[in-house]
Amino acid sequence: DIQMTQSPSSVSASVGDRVTITCRASQGISSWLAWYQQRPGKAPKLLIYAASSLQSGVPSRFSGSGSGTDFTLTISSLQPEDFATYYCQQANSFPLTFGGGTKVEIK
Amino acid sequence: QVQLVESGGGVVQPGRSLRLSCAASGFTFSNSGMHWVRQAPGKGLEWVAVISYDGTNADSVKGRFTISRDNSKNTLYLQMNSLRAEDTAVYYCAKDLSTGVIDYWGQGTLVTVSS
Repeated sequence: DIQMTQSPSSVSASVGDRVTITCRASQGISSWLAWYQQRPGKAPKLLIYAASSLQSGVPSRFSGSGSGTDFTLTISSLQPEDFATYYCQQANSFPLTFGGGTKVEIK
Repeated sequence: QVQLVESGGGVVQPGRSLRLSCAASGFTFSNSGMHWVRQAPGKGLEWVAVISYDGTNADSVKGRFTISRDNSKNTLYLQMNSLRAEDTAVYYCAKDLSTGVIDYWGQGTLVTVSS
């Protein structure tokens, strides 16, 4: 199985800050990577797929990059509604696997 | 709009079985692969199972769990046998965008395995 490792596990930031989350795969997955946002008590929401494609309706302050084993999710200017937990997920092969999550908290 | 509504969760004793259902609407169900993903309390996401659009191909990380679908009823199922305490989680039904990317999630149904 492909292991997905996210860092940091949590980050404290202020509204307007730029936030970067990294995700590393245990083996190459090309661009088969997705990012999800999960607010407390809610279902996850797709933000980015194919490493850098923005899902319809997702604000442009979210962006993704990377290929192979190393990926990043960037929030260019953090908004109040962005405080949540973010997960990466590889879609290269089954079983699908998720990173452990990064909680973005208010500073 | 896409709606996925899970049902069938609840409290079940260890070793018993449970079947979850997911009613889909707002898209052509018979054209979409579907997944089950679970989340234990306070933990991260864990993929459970996938089934192809026509039900001919399925895969699961748990040999005790079987995914199936009824396209005539726009419904997805997860049969869970020999349940254990570690299966306690919110189970999400989810729609496949393309080969393993999930674009829509249900609200989840809580399964608690406890004596």
